[in-house]
Amino acid sequence: SAVLSQPPSVSVAPGQTARITCGGNIIGTTSAHWYQQRPGQAPVLVVYDDDGRPSGIPERFSGSKSGNTATLTISRVEAGDEADYYCQVWDGLSDHPYVFGSGTKVTVL
Amino acid sequence: EVRLSESGGGLVQPGGSLRLSCEASGFTFRSHAMTWVRQAPGKGLQWVSSVSGSGRTTYYAESVKGRFTISRDNSNNSLYLQMNSLRGDDTALYYCAIHGVTTTPDAFETWGQGTMIIVSS
Repeated sequence: SAVLSQPPSVSVAPGQTARITCGGNIIGTTSAHWYQQRPGQAPVLVVYDDDGRPSGIPERFSGSKSGNTATLTISRVEAGDEADYYCQVWDGLSDHPYVFGSGTKVTVL
Repeated sequence: EVRLSESGGGLVQPGGSLRLSCEASGFTFRSHAMTWVRQAPGKGLQWVSSVSGSGRTTYYAESVKGRFTISRDNSNNSLYLQMNSLRGDDTALYYCAIHGVTTTPDAFETWGQGTMIIVSS
């Protein structure tokens, strides 16, 4: 199965920009999706298909992809953005096609 | 509004069985694939199993293949996970999730609140 690598943690001051990366060979061939999981809550889809934003997700959340790396960008970071963030892909060539990254803890300083 | 509600969790001894259920509402259930994802205490998200809208196609993580069975009842808008031969490393919060209703079929658009499984003697 595919392997997705994320940095364990990212720290950012309020009002600044946080960037979370998700790397893996498969990123170049499939779409990446991103989830936010606040403490004690279920995950929420915040970006789909690399750069799509579901209804209700603030424009401060955006996604991009270059080569084998997908990036979730959170602009004008707020205290409420402190959470774990996970990338996920679908590997259509695998018998175990859904893969999550290891997750990144975003801390708002 | 899309709603998912899991049930069936609890404490079970190693080697035991449990059946999880997920009741869905607010969308055309049979039109969308469904998935189970788990999260061990303090750990990240782990995909467990998925089933197509019709129920004919299923996928399993290597760690649960042969022990877990995913199924759905489209007449009752329900998703199930039969878990057999449970082990300590199956201890986790189990979420059900629906694949994209308004987004994309490969993403998990809406999640339930989860049901906890503890495997311990």
